[in-house]
Amino acid sequence: GESVGLHLPTLSVQEGDNSIINCAYSNSASDYFIWYKQESGKGPQFIIDIRSNMDKRQGQRVTVLLNKTVKHLSLQIAATQPGDSAVYFCAENRLGRGSTLGRLYFGRGTQLTVWP
Amino acid sequence: GAVVSQHPSWVICKSGTSVKIECRSLDFQATTMFWYRQFPKQSLMLMATSNEGSKATYEQGVEKDKFLINHASLTLSTLTVTSAHPEDSSFYICSASRTNTDTQYFGPGTRLTVL
Repeated sequence: GESVGLHLPTLSVQEGDNSIINCAYSNSASDYFIWYKQESGKGPQFIIDIRSNMDKRQGQRVTVLLNKTVKHLSLQIAATQPGDSAVYFCAENRLGRGSTLGRLYFGRGTQLTVWP
Repeated sequence: GAVVSQHPSWVICKSGTSVKIECRSLDFQATTMFWYRQFPKQSLMLMATSNEGSKATYEQGVEKDKFLINHASLTLSTLTVTSAHPEDSSFYICSASRTNTDTQYFGPGTRLTVL
């Protein structure tokens, strides 16, 4: 079936190191991808998005890479800080797909823990 | 901009009662709102998609008579859990977007505990 999954359920890094969180998706027709950060007991917070006509997009301390050939998405966080500790979800949004228009398909999530 | 609020942030109720959760887009008009539920250490599960002025579209397996959704204005959607039971205890999260293809912005969630 169709799925958006994550390779690693947990990731521990030391403060100041770079973090890379990976995500695989199975539908080659996916158009749009979003990374969300969710802290404990809170709703998901938008981090960065990328459309399928791009392979890289940068934000503040974050970079998203999209490899459509292998259907892989990654989120890179530079100089990771304790405040980055959270669960990170990738989500897939299939634009222009009729009844699924706007529907987000979420991955399992990766728990990022940053050690001082 | 793009702030979404939910009320209440948590609620405890007795089994058999109904609970209403509000979702508001504070600084933008949301044509589309989505309702999710999330169990501990799990991902978000979409329950329904709501377009302003239309009936909600429910995901397979979600009982529309149990989870009543109203989206009467461009800034407010409500989810009513009717005759709640302990298995309905969960974290309910809404999201809102300007259009159904725009970025979804999430509310802070509502923790429902049914005794």
